[in-house]
Amino acid sequence: DVKVTQSSRYLVKRTGEKVFLECVQDMDHENMFWYRQDPGLGLRLIYFSYDVKMKEKGDIPEGYSVSREKKERFSLILESASTNQTSMYLCASRTGEAGGNQPQHFGDGTRLSIL
Amino acid sequence: AQSVTQLGSHVSVSEGALVLLRCNYSSSVPPYLFWYVQYPNQGLQLLLKYTTGATLVKGINGFEAEFKKSETSFHLTKPSAHMSDAAEYFCAVSVNTGNQFYFGTGTSLTVIP
Repeated sequence: DVKVTQSSRYLVKRTGEKVFLECVQDMDHENMFWYRQDPGLGLRLIYFSYDVKMKEKGDIPEGYSVSREKKERFSLILESASTNQTSMYLCASRTGEAGGNQPQHFGDGTRLSIL
Repeated sequence: AQSVTQLGSHVSVSEGALVLLRCNYSSSVPPYLFWYVQYPNQGLQLLLKYTTGATLVKGINGFEAEFKKSETSFHLTKPSAHMSDAAEYFCAVSVNTGNQFYFGTGTSLTVIP
């Protein structure tokens, strides 16, 4: 089974801090994704990466950056955390093979609170 | 462009009753369709997927979904609800080009004892 591991389940930070959320997958997947999930808004894509050092903006990239130095690891960075970034953050990975019919596999999420 | 609409952000059913969660999609090309379930404080888990072939798809935990191209729908059903089915359910669409999924806003299922 695919395993996507997010480094923290719960995280509390202060406004203005630089925050790192880490995600590791063990299936050699080319594609990795970061979403935030808020009540009533579903999942919104922040960034995704289709290869090492490659990234593309999703729907809500403002205030975030990402890093993918190794294939298995995809990091989300909040450059200067603000209270409106309090949310559930979900990481996912997906194979690049076989077109669009492969599912995304999700980690357990990081519930981030910015005080 | 692709989009997904889930009708009903909250659905309540009695234990043992039929579960029906609705999903309609918009896609300019043949879609691949997925249902995910999310239990409290967990990530999303794949329930089932439609890619090609048989339009009635069976998934885990007794759920199934039927792809109806004419109605652009992919509704999720389960004949008899169990308390453990209480969760958030997400419908998603993908296409052959590009890497993105397009998710609906989710339906929260409550099962009443």
